[in-house]
Amino acid sequence: GAVVSQHPSRVICKSGTSVKIECRSLDFQATTMFWYRQFPKQSLMLMATSNEGSKATYEQGVEKDKFLINHASLTLSTLTVTSAHPEDSSFYICSARPGTGSTDTQYFGPGTRLTVL
Amino acid sequence: QKEVEQDPGPLSVPEGAIVSLNCTYSNSAFQYFMWYRQYSRKGPELLMYTYSSGNKEDGRFTAQVDKSSKYISLFIRDSQPSDSATYLCASTRSNFGNEKLTFGTGTRLTIIP
Repeated sequence: GAVVSQHPSRVICKSGTSVKIECRSLDFQATTMFWYRQFPKQSLMLMATSNEGSKATYEQGVEKDKFLINHASLTLSTLTVTSAHPEDSSFYICSARPGTGSTDTQYFGPGTRLTVL
Repeated sequence: QKEVEQDPGPLSVPEGAIVSLNCTYSNSAFQYFMWYRQYSRKGPELLMYTYSSGNKEDGRFTAQVDKSSKYISLFIRDSQPSDSATYLCASTRSNFGNEKLTFGTGTRLTIIP
């Protein structure tokens, strides 16, 4: 159980275009989903926390107008990187926590590798 | 000072050896402690999850938390080449709702056949 999927697994785009990444919890409902970014040989950096039906909470230094997060249902959250630039190239990983009031931990997706040319 | 400190390694040990991975943390409010394993180009996979101080064992893996010294450890017995990965420790105040995880930098481990 506790499977989280991401799509696409890899995307290459031109500078200035927008890219949407989907995160789905496959066998549980996730009230809260988290989006992370990981640069090579570095740890995961939390970008934002997303709750179903409400606005995401962004970490300091993360531009909310550039990284649009939508959490429209209890099993789906999307991250859109708008007007992508080469410095946005990174490994984007989502995680999901089962249900409200749950004391279970976060389960991670397999990640999406974004390359901006 | 980072809230969770972890030696990035790399760490190489021969197959069959006992591996010891460690983290320290500074936030006294942390109550939950996790170890994740991350293979190259993959998302982190939860290995161990403990609450407060004490030991927890799962097969070849043992997680240990000492809150008095703010020290977190993961031991791997009879290490296998398939254990080669990056191991990330993480802590949180509460495992409830929006509470976020704070990660260490990760330790790259290689088991030599």
